[in-house]
Amino acid sequence: GAGVSQTPSNKVTEKGKYVELRCDPISGHTALYWYRQSLGQGPEFLIYFQGTGAADDSGLPNDRFFAVRPEGSVSTLKIQRTERGDSAVYLCASSLKRGANTGELFFGEGSRLTVL
Amino acid sequence: AQSVAQPEDQVNVAEGNPLTVKCTYSVSGNPYLFWYVQYPNRGLQFLLKYITGDNLVKGSYGFEAEFNKSQTSFHLKKPSALVSDSALYFCAVRPAGGTSYGKLTFGQGTILTVHP
Repeated sequence: GAGVSQTPSNKVTEKGKYVELRCDPISGHTALYWYRQSLGQGPEFLIYFQGTGAADDSGLPNDRFFAVRPEGSVSTLKIQRTERGDSAVYLCASSLKRGANTGELFFGEGSRLTVL
Repeated sequence: AQSVAQPEDQVNVAEGNPLTVKCTYSVSGNPYLFWYVQYPNRGLQFLLKYITGDNLVKGSYGFEAEFNKSQTSFHLKKPSALVSDSALYFCAVRPAGGTSYGKLTFGQGTILTVHP
């Protein structure tokens, strides 16, 4: 597709379970980002990939959160032992490297995670 | 650390009237500043950016924003509002330079409602 694709669009899980959220960036975009948006708040940075490597993971809240991008395209955000406080919309964005340098990010519609 | 403040949770304006959505920021050094818009059930969309140069920047859909360094502000404006401009607007900042490419700090957002 033409835009950033995120699956699932909605995920309901129980406290303590493991969750994976997938992001398929725009073709040719080398930079990929994960953000988290809680209700009534702006997006908060989690992690940034340039190619296959995590260039900046300073926004990951704790070691229950992990993200991979093994082939430099699709990325998976993994959350272990989910907690109710993890409930949020997880946003993925991508950009060309040049766009990354100037902040022009292309966002997907997000994956809404609800932890019961 | 950088921060963004959007002092108004909501802005209401009549169609055809000018609109302003306010944003102030705090960042070390020079800023890169951005406005994004979020329509219902859609991903965040880039509107405009200030990187350097002219303090008045123009973006998509007739929007513009004015960078004021002394007041650390980057207010979004449009001379004549449309009902279709109704959406959630986010201001964002990152420090110029460095390697924190896509690591934007967002404000909490302002709901703009344009009445017919």
